[in-house]
Amino acid sequence: AQSVTQLDSQVPVFEEAPVELRCNYSSSVSVYLFWYVQYPNQGLQLLLKYLSGSTLVKGINGFEAEFNKSQTSFHLRKPSVHISDTAEYFCAVSELNNDMRFGAGTRLTVKP
Amino acid sequence: DTAVSQTPKYLVTQMGNDKSIKCEQNLGHDTMYWYKQDSKKFLKIMFSYNNKELIINETVPNRFSPKSPDKAHLNLHINSLELGDSAVYFCASSQGRQGSYEQYFGPGTRLTVT
Repeated sequence: AQSVTQLDSQVPVFEEAPVELRCNYSSSVSVYLFWYVQYPNQGLQLLLKYLSGSTLVKGINGFEAEFNKSQTSFHLRKPSVHISDTAEYFCAVSELNNDMRFGAGTRLTVKP
Repeated sequence: DTAVSQTPKYLVTQMGNDKSIKCEQNLGHDTMYWYKQDSKKFLKIMFSYNNKELIINETVPNRFSPKSPDKAHLNLHINSLELGDSAVYFCASSQGRQGSYEQYFGPGTRLTVT
């Protein structure tokens, strides 16, 4: 079965700085990859997803992620963060007929 | 219109009680899920329902039972509540079980057992 590892539990960054949140997955077959964001006291919402095709995926709020099959990674990036990006970010992986598996989450804190 | 809704948003109860959390989706999706999020934000899938059939049950105690009166609803019933059941419970739905479908989450129900 597939699994996903988020390498950083917490990432502090200053406002307007770039950020990268790291995600690695494990699977023996083709996968679909997702990033979700959870703002305080809310449910998860989809930021972006990779299903096939171009390995660079653009999502909402200026985020993008790159699928790297050889590295089994799907890192999330944003060139310039805002205070409002402070949230918990979850990487998730699924296979064709398997349910989604979520990483442990990365807490992004944007400081003024 | 709220796509996935849950009630109640907060639930405080004593050990040993029985409680239910309701979930409704208006997206016309075929699959619904229940997740438990602990204090460290770890998300654990508890159940999924596809066309009213239970698909998975990830080592969840049998005190927890999902009930689906129809495709748009998946309620979670918990018997004999324990302190360790305190968590945030999320309902989610997706178009189907195929892995390419994204999941849509409800706002969560914070359960506190005292």
